[in-house]
Formats: sequence, C-alpha cells, structure tokens
Amino acid sequence: QSALTQPASVSGSPGQSITIYCTGTSSDIGGYKYVSWYQQHPGKAPKVMIYDVSNRPSGVSNRFSGSKSGNTASLTISGLQAEDEGDYYCSSYTTISTVVFGGGTKLTVL
Amino acid sequence: QVQLVQSGAEVKKPGASVKVSCKASGYTFTGYYIQWVRQAPGQGLEWMAWISPNSGGLNYEQKFQGRVTVTRDTSISTAYMEMSSLTSDDTAIYYCARGGISSWDAIDIWGQGTMVTVSS
Repeated sequence: QSALTQPASVSGSPGQSITIYCTGTSSDIGGYKYVSWYQQHPGKAPKVMIYDVSNRPSGVSNRFSGSKSGNTASLTISGLQAEDEGDYYCSSYTTISTVVFGGGTKLTVL
Repeated sequence: QVQLVQSGAEVKKPGASVKVSCKASGYTFTGYYIQWVRQAPGQGLEWMAWISPNSGGLNYEQKFQGRVTVTRDTSISTAYMEMSSLTSDDTAIYYCARGGISSWDAIDIWGQGTMVTVSS
C-alpha cells in the first residue's frame, strides 16, 4: 500500500489559517470516511487531532477542522499558535483492511 | 489512567529477532484493537499491523507479512510484536497504540515507544 501524499512542509504566521492536504486513492481516502490526522512534537508520540474525517476528540481545540472531497482529505488550522508547530500525519483505512499513513507535513509557525 | 507501557530499548545484530511487549492498563484490554506503528529516525509513521485482542484476528501491512508476528495474552493484558531477520532498515521506534472497537477506528492512546537499533 503506497503512502498517502502530503506536502513536506507548510508555514504560517500566528493568527493565520493553514490547510494541509492529503491525497490518496479510491482504495483508501476515497473509499471510506475513516481519515484521521495526528500531530507529533519532537521526541513525543503522536496525538490524534481529527478522526472520521471531521470529528474532534474531546480536548482538541476547535481551531482544528477536517474535511474530505473525493480522494483528498484536508486539515485546517485556524488562528495559528506557536504550539501548533510540529509534524502532522494523515491516515486512512483501506479496502484491504489495513491502515496507511501520509508521509508527514512539517508545520512551521513563523 | 488508560495507558500502554512498552518494553525497553533493544540493540540487535543483523539477522536477529526482536520481541516488543505492550502492556495495557486502565481499560478493558479485549475491548479495543491494538495497532503497531513504527518510525525510523527522522522519518514518518509507518503502519505495521493490527490485532483484535478479543478475537485474535489480525492483519499485516504486506511488506511485513512473514517477518512480523503480532500476538496477545489476554490474561495479562499484553500485546507483542516480534520481528525476525532484522536489518539496519528496521532501526526505528516501534509504537503500540490503542485503536477503537473496530479495526478502522483511529488511534487514541499511544505507548511510549520502543527504540530498536539494528547494528553490527
């Protein structure tokens, strides 16, 4: 299963909004509503920010939102804050009952 | 509290095997899938396998089939990931993680990670 495609890096200034796109195929993102987004800070385990395309776990800021169109999912962070800096990974369930991650996107808050 | 505690760091020689344990506490072990994910130094996350602690059902990423074995012992709420024929490319942090009640559910709890170093 090939990794989902994410941009290597994105950046934004505090207060701005950014969107990270994650492109897959009809065998993963396009086939299911089971897309998740994880945030990872250096030396730490990942943390789920969005699950099932657009749901936020309890405790995650409402500045984080997710959506999907066709084979592409997206994560939008509004009102960027310094603590949002880190790596972000998308993941999707697949038609062969496996899970696939994106290559990761490094978010820099300028 | 809900947590997954993994076994300690390992250093192995090429060709050897390694077995990582993952002990669950604070919740009903058989109620949630366990996922295994690895991360090579400076690289992204790579999904490896999932197991249903309840049924024992499992699935592997194709590249790991035949070289990775995931098991569980419900009596001690522990999952295991064993990898054989190690090469330097297997040097990575190995995470166990809790999914949901279905194999497609997102991960909500991660273990602390186990660093496996393969070096001659």
